Amino acid sequence: DAGVIQSPRHEVTEMGQEVTLRCKPISGHNSLFWYRQTMMRGLELLIYFNNNVPIDDSGMPEDRFSAKMPNASFSTLKIQPSEPRDSAVYFCASSPGWDQPQHFGDGTRLSIL
Amino acid sequence: DQQVKQNSPSLSVQEGRISILNCDYTNSMFDYFLWYKKYPAEGPTFLISISSIKDKNEDGRFTVFLNKSAKHLSLHIVPSQPGDSAVYFCAASAGAGSYQLTFGKGTKLSVIP
Repeated sequence: DAGVIQSPRHEVTEMGQEVTLRCKPISGHNSLFWYRQTMMRGLELLIYFNNNVPIDDSGMPEDRFSAKMPNASFSTLKIQPSEPRDSAVYFCASSPGWDQPQHFGDGTRLSIL
Repeated sequence: DQQVKQNSPSLSVQEGRISILNCDYTNSMFDYFLWYKKYPAEGPTFLISISSIKDKNEDGRFTVFLNKSAKHLSLHIVPSQPGDSAVYFCAASAGAGSYQLTFGKGTKLSVIP
């Protein structure tokens, strides 16, 4: 059974470039989450989608960050323009319902030079 | 201001012995708690959870204890195995199954053969 799939696994880019992270949730899961993990702040929720609709984006740090979920099997997190302080590991997670344990992908390690 | 604290960044235990990982929280609204395990270069994996109406929950070698008055929970692993070596995250939410999880920064467990 395929888990949450994230791509790319690693991304290195220069400051000012646009970065797009991708996520395919587990089939049948209707809740999707994007997290950011840093040494300083640990794991933080950025945005939560339910049935493809953004429910809570209060964790999105700035307008440079945006997320979409055009259908039940795909979501993107975009940073434009990127800055060195955006360097982190970004995780996508999905769950069968908002009240069920979340299943995490293996993350995208993002480095902004 | 960390609402979920894992004060031990690392722990080493001999194979076959008990591992005890601790977690403290400050938000009295938290009433649902989870433990996740994370291997390097992988996403966190759900391990076990407990609701505040209980003080103990067991699943095989894993037991979580909750002390509400002390705002403290612990994860016991008995017996510890080398495959248990990972980073363990404690997470909490206000409302059973609430999508908003607040994570601790993790404790790295090393089980020595």
